[in-house]
Amino acid sequence: DQQVKQNSPSLSVQEGRISILNCDYTNSMFDYFLWYKKYPAEGPTFLISISSIKDKNEDGRFTVFLNKSAKHLSLHIVPSQPGDSAVYFCAASGSWGLTFGKGTMLLVSP
Amino acid sequence: DAGVTQSPTHLIKTRGQHVTLRCSPISGHKSVSWYQQVLGQGPQFIFQYYEKEERGRGNFPDRFSARQFPNYSSELNVNALLLGDSALYLCASSLAAAEQYFGPGTRLTVT
Repeated sequence: DQQVKQNSPSLSVQEGRISILNCDYTNSMFDYFLWYKKYPAEGPTFLISISSIKDKNEDGRFTVFLNKSAKHLSLHIVPSQPGDSAVYFCAASGSWGLTFGKGTMLLVSP
Repeated sequence: DAGVTQSPTHLIKTRGQHVTLRCSPISGHKSVSWYQQVLGQGPQFIFQYYEKEERGRGNFPDRFSARQFPNYSSELNVNALLLGDSALYLCASSLAAAEQYFGPGTRLTVT
C-alpha cells in the first residue's frame, strides 16, 4: 500500500514554461512534506518543504502547494530551465523517517 | 562545509556474505537515517538514529542493523546478503527530523 503516490512517471516541458509535479498521500498523520530532486548517480537533493499547517511555501522559482482536504500537494517550477531535468521525489514525514513516492522524471527541453 | 559522506561508493558482494556501509553526517547534525532505493522506486526508510539511539525502524528484516557512534557517524550492517538486497543505500542527516540531507549513496551489488 503506497502511502505517497506520484502518478505521473514522467513530464516534458519547454524551457521557460511552468512545470507542475503532483503528489497524493493517504496517511492523515503526515505533518510535513518535502520535495527532492535527484540526478543519476547522486543522492536526492532537498528542494523545498511545507508544514501541514500551511498551504503554500515559495522559494525562488519553486513553490509548493498543499491541499490537506484533498491530501494533495504540488510543486510548481517557474520558469523551467533545462538544468531542472531530473527525477523529482515527493516525501512525507510522520513519526519517523520519510515516506517517498516513486518519483516523476522531468525533462525540460530548450 | 562538507555534506553527508558515505563509503564505499560501490561494493560487490556474494550471496550469504555480510556488508558494512558507513556514513558521516553534516557537521552539527545529530540525526542519521538510512534508506534503500531500488531501481524505479523511491527511497525506502530503514532506520533513524538520534543521539546514538534508534528512534525508528522501517519494514526490513532483522538481517539489517545499524548503530550510531559518539561522533554521530553511523554504520549500516546487512547479514546473509540476498540478491534482492542489491540497491543504492542512502544515508541522510538532519538537525530536525523532517528536513533530511542525503549523501551520494553506496551502490551495493549482490551476485
